[in-house]
Amino acid sequence: EVQLVQSGAEVKKPGESLKISCKGSGYSFTSYWIGWVRQMPGKGLEWMGTIYPGDSNTKYSPSFQGQVTISADKSISTAYLQWSSLKASDTAMYYCARPRGWPNAFDVWGQGTMVTVSS
Amino acid sequence: EIVLTQSPGTLSLSPGERATLSCRASQGVSSNFLAWYQQKPGQAPRLLIYGASSRATGIPDRFSGSGSGTDFTLTITRLEPEDFAVYYCQQYDGSLTFGPGTKVDIK
Repeated sequence: EVQLVQSGAEVKKPGESLKISCKGSGYSFTSYWIGWVRQMPGKGLEWMGTIYPGDSNTKYSPSFQGQVTISADKSISTAYLQWSSLKASDTAMYYCARPRGWPNAFDVWGQGTMVTVSS
Repeated sequence: EIVLTQSPGTLSLSPGERATLSCRASQGVSSNFLAWYQQKPGQAPRLLIYGASSRATGIPDRFSGSGSGTDFTLTITRLEPEDFAVYYCQQYDGSLTFGPGTKVDIK
C-alpha cells in the first residue's frame, strides 16, 4: 500500500526553528515528486513547494520561496519541511502529498501535521 | 500565476439531488491540467478528478468532471450522505494553485 506518514503535531514559540517530516512507503520514493500544502485554520489549500527526491530538484511557490526549506533524505524515504524562525502566522495544518508526475494532481496524501506557533 | 475562482461558495442540497460546481481560471489552463479534490472535516483532501475529466482510482462514477480552457465543472449526479464536504479545484499548468473551495452542505 502506498502511504505517506507525517510526523506528529508541534507546538512552538515564535522565533523557534522546526522541521517536520513525511515518510513514504509502498513505492519507489526516488521516482516520484513530493509536495507540501498548507491549510490555515478554517481556510483553503495552498501549494508551498515540491521536491524530487531522486536528485533533490525543488520547486517553490513564489509565496513561500525564502520562507521555508524543503529537503529529502532518499536513504530513509523521507521528505522534510523546515522553518528557521517561526511566526504566529505559520500556525496551520501542513500536508505532504505525492503528485502523479510533475506537474500533476496529488493522488496520495499524508495525514497532516498541525503546527501551532504561540507565545 | 493562474488564479482560480469557484462558485458558488456554498451549495445547499438534499441527498439524491444533483450538484454542479464551477471553477473558472484567470487564463487558459493548457492540456486541461485541472483537478478536483474533496475534503471532509478533519481529513486530508482526496483526489477525485484529474486532467479535467479523468476519475481517480476508486472514485464512484457519480462524480464527473468537464470543461476546458478557463471554465471547468464538477458534477455529482446524485448526492450521497458522504458527499457533503468541501470541494477544491486545482490547476497544475506549470505552477500549482488551488481555488478557494465550494462547500456542499445538507439543505
